[in-house]
Order: sequence, then C-alpha cells, then structure tokens
Amino acid sequence: TQLLEQSPQFLSIQEGENLTVYCNSSSVFSSLQWYRQEPGEGPVLLVTVVTGGEVKKLKRLTFQFGDARKDSSLHITAAQPGDTGLYLCGGGGADGLTFGKGTHLIIQP
Amino acid sequence: DVKVTQSSRYLVKRTGEKVFLECVQDMDHENMFWYRQDPGLGLRLIYFSYDVKMKEKGDIPEGYSVSREKKERFSLILESASTNQTSMYLCASSFGSTLFYSNIQYFGAGTRLSVL
Repeated sequence: TQLLEQSPQFLSIQEGENLTVYCNSSSVFSSLQWYRQEPGEGPVLLVTVVTGGEVKKLKRLTFQFGDARKDSSLHITAAQPGDTGLYLCGGGGADGLTFGKGTHLIIQP
Repeated sequence: DVKVTQSSRYLVKRTGEKVFLECVQDMDHENMFWYRQDPGLGLRLIYFSYDVKMKEKGDIPEGYSVSREKKERFSLILESASTNQTSMYLCASSFGSTLFYSNIQYFGAGTRLSVL
C-alpha cells in the first residue's frame, strides 16, 4: 500500500510570510497532483508534476517534485488570506491516486 | 473547463433510508470516482468506474453500491443509510486514455450528508 505523509498537519501564519508544506512517501509515483480545498467545497487541482526534479510555478506558489519521485513540496511566497485552505497531495500510480491527509493552512490578515 | 456537478450540496436523511447521490461530468471522461472525506481520515475511495456499466470496489465499499448507466453520470447508493455514513461525499472524474491522465482527477463541490 502506498502512503503519503503530509506535514505539517496544521499551519497558521501571518499575511506576507513565506511557508513550505511537504508531501513524503517511501513509494515512487509516476505523477503527483496538488489540490486546494476550501471549507465546504471540493478539491481544486492546482498542478501536476511528473518528472523527478521538476519545478512548476503558479504565481506565488512553487511546486517541486523530488528527484526520486517520492516526495514533493509546495512553497508559498508572501502568503495572503486567500491562500487559506486544505492543501492535498495525490500520488499517481498503477493502483490509482493515493492522497495524503492534507495540510490545513490559515493565513491571518 | 472541466465541470463535475453533484446534484445536492447538503442532504439530511434518516437511518434506514435509501439514499442516492448523483454526479455528472461534462468532459467525456472515461473514469469516475466516489470518495468520502472525514476529519483525520482524509479522502477514502469507495468505488470507481472506468467505463459504462463497469465498476470496481475501492478501499471502503461496504454499505455502498454504484450505478453507471451513461458515460457522464455516476451514482452512489446507500442502500440503508446509517449514522456512520454521515460524511462529505466527493465525486471525481478523469480521462482513461493513459495511466498519467487517469490520475489527474477533477472533483465536484461535494455533498455533505447527515444521517440522523
């Protein structure tokens, strides 16, 4: 069974600060997806990374896939209250998509 | 844009009732999925379907069944609802052409089901 561990579970910071959240596994994934979920809504796909070492940027969000394709990170620069939400990573493999339990992020004004 | 629509945002049902949750996608996706999401447990796969009239059990199929009579529609059925099925239910869909695309899933807004 493939497992994805996300850390930290909870993070509360002030507007304007930088932060990094992590998604780690002992398994190799063919792709990794990051989602953001707001309270009462479904997850919204942010990005897919597929190549070891790949870096993708989405405005103030930077996503990196580990060289061995076992882990990923999401870095947010100058966080804003609109970044508040649950960030989920999902690792893709032959058995489908395996999700971590998520990082609850709160950005305080 | 991909659109996955779940018929109800909120549902309140009584124990023992038969409950239908409907999901429709407009992107001609082959794969459709049903998950439930609970605090501390994350997303758990109930059932998925990779073609019309095809279904596969996920990690927690007990107490649930599914129906896929048309490509765009995937229904989740709770035959006899119980209080431990109170949860957020999420439908997702993806292309089935390759393993890569099948793992890029798009979600609906969710149905918050309360069983009293």
